[in-house]
Amino acid sequence: DAGVTQSPTHLIKTRGQQVTLRCSPKSGHDTVSWYQQALGQGPQFIFQYYEEEERQRGNFPDRFSGHQFPNYSSELNVNALLLGDSALYLCASSPAGGRPYTFGSGTRLTVV
Amino acid sequence: QQQVKQSPQSLIVQKGGISIINCAYENTAFDYFPWYQQFPGKGPALLIAIRPDVSEKKEGRFTISFNKSAKQFSLHIMDSQPGDSATYFCAASKAGGTSYGKLTFGQGTILTVHP
Repeated sequence: DAGVTQSPTHLIKTRGQQVTLRCSPKSGHDTVSWYQQALGQGPQFIFQYYEEEERQRGNFPDRFSGHQFPNYSSELNVNALLLGDSALYLCASSPAGGRPYTFGSGTRLTVV
Repeated sequence: QQQVKQSPQSLIVQKGGISIINCAYENTAFDYFPWYQQFPGKGPALLIAIRPDVSEKKEGRFTISFNKSAKQFSLHIMDSQPGDSATYFCAASKAGGTSYGKLTFGQGTILTVHP
């Protein structure tokens, strides 16, 4: 049973560029959440998608946007990248009941 | 209102010892308190979780103690092993409302178990 799959695993981008990260949820899960984890910090909630709609959003600027597809997979887009966007981006999926959450291994984004 | 405070930041324990990590929360609407274990380069993995209607939950060597009146909960790792060396995060979430599904994490504790 595949868990949460994220791609790519590592990414290097230049300031001002745009990036798209991808997530496939665990089988049987239909809700996808995205988190940003800066080095040495706990994950911070970005937003959550359910039924292809953004259901909940954390304190992140509009440069962060997302999408969920009919097969429940999801994308995280970040525009106008800043050095401070360098972090591990984690995708977590959950069943419709909301818990428990299963995390992927993340995408390490470095902005130079 | 949404903060979860975790301590200590780092912890060193001898093999076979007990590791104890503490968390405190402010929002009384939280109703689900999981602990996650994270190894370098990996995502957090769920260890054990508790709801506020019980004071303790044990799974193998891992135990959560929950004190609702004090708004505190802790993770105890019995017979700590070098393979337990990782970063541990407490978290909290609440059902329903505008924060449904959002996990609020503590700052993390780096656990080192010496052989």
